[in-house]
Amino acid sequence: KAGVTQTPRYLIKTRGQQVTLSCSPISGHRSVSWYQQTPGQGLQFLFEYFSETQRNKGNFPGRFSGRQFSNSRSEMNVSTLELGDSALYLCASSPGPEGTGNTIYFGEGSWLTVV
Amino acid sequence: AQSVTQLGSHVSVSEGALVLLRCNYSSSVPPYLFWYVQYPNQGLQLLLKYTTGATLVKGINGFEAEFKKSETSFHLTKPSAHMSDAAEYFCAVIRAGSSASKIIFGSGTRLSIRP
Repeated sequence: KAGVTQTPRYLIKTRGQQVTLSCSPISGHRSVSWYQQTPGQGLQFLFEYFSETQRNKGNFPGRFSGRQFSNSRSEMNVSTLELGDSALYLCASSPGPEGTGNTIYFGEGSWLTVV
Repeated sequence: AQSVTQLGSHVSVSEGALVLLRCNYSSSVPPYLFWYVQYPNQGLQLLLKYTTGATLVKGINGFEAEFKKSETSFHLTKPSAHMSDAAEYFCAVIRAGSSASKIIFGSGTRLSIRP
């Protein structure tokens, strides 16, 4: 079955603009998580959604937000972009929020460059 | 709390040589452990995981890892390196039963293969 799909794959934005990234989880998966990956900070957790509810949020400013739709698809939004927001944004899905060894599957990521 | 330490940010081996990537974890409760691989410009792909049961875990592409509770280690090995193994490898730990938001990633080890 299809994996986690993220769109767009690459985008360039100007400082101060906003951006919306989209993620379609694996069919049947109801939990979606977002991560930011940068060379300096590594992989950092942004937020997790399950059944349209945000269950956990990482240590990021309020400019970073997200949501999940009834079909489990998720979007994340970053407003008032800063140069430091340039990163690879990874979406991951898993069957449910509570793990019993549930594996987290990642998408290809969305490369955001802020100029 | 859980933590992961990957020893060596960069490992270089010759083609055909043994690959050994080190991962030590800290967890006060039984952990689930994962190894992910990231090829250039791609997302994270699951190599293998340990949840319960057999401590020697076999993954894709000829990789395996052994869970050693006494040493709190989960080192990744491959008997014979191939050029296509060049990538970044991430060890990750999550407490059994926790949601995806609680997964902790190591800082990554970049594997280079010399011809």
